[in-house]
Amino acid sequence: DTGVSQDPRHKITKRGQNVTFRCDPISEHNRLYWYRQTLGQGPEFLTYFQNEAQLEKSRLLSDRFSAERPKGSFSTLEIQRTEQGDSAMYLCASSGQYSNQPQHFGDGTRLSIL
Amino acid sequence: GEDVEQSLFLSVREGDSSVINCTYTDSSSTYLYWYKQEPGAGLQLLTYIFSNMDMKQDQRLTVLLNKKDKHLSLRIADTQTGDSAIYFCAEKVLGNQGGKLIFGQGTELSVKP
Repeated sequence: DTGVSQDPRHKITKRGQNVTFRCDPISEHNRLYWYRQTLGQGPEFLTYFQNEAQLEKSRLLSDRFSAERPKGSFSTLEIQRTEQGDSAMYLCASSGQYSNQPQHFGDGTRLSIL
Repeated sequence: GEDVEQSLFLSVREGDSSVINCTYTDSSSTYLYWYKQEPGAGLQLLTYIFSNMDMKQDQRLTVLLNKKDKHLSLRIADTQTGDSAIYFCAEKVLGNQGGKLIFGQGTELSVKP
């Protein structure tokens, strides 16, 4: 069990640039989640996939954000035209398909907007 | 609505027990979780409890659930300096097909030698 893997760990970019993050879930997990965590707060849900289908999106996910999971394995989260307020830790989690299976988190990607 | 609240800080001496408290508002919660976060890292799952249980013990960790008062606690026995971290309580809400988690703000546990 290699755990949930996220890349990159840190990303520094200028305001207005586009960024893309990758998440590789635990291999047998078919559910994948993205959360955002700002300093001093708990994670907030962004979106969720079951296999390749994106089944739920939070109101936090503005039209500048898009997430994909094209083959039901890894996922990408893209932020277009980044803003200062996008600075946060972006966390990915995965779980099995049954409700009693907990979510396991990766170490996150920390995004800093200059 | 969905809301989870925790006290922000707790300081204990090494060897003492720590008790971290959490309250939640959604009565349809199915599972309640405790995660630990160390600086610069992601969330590590510590333990979880199904809403029809009132207690779960796992080595040094004891979870107590009072469903009537919507109160959850995590007790860490024989607290060590390595337990210093931020602890998050989270609920999974029934009827949410995605099983998204609603997190509290986190309790920063400081363990003094």
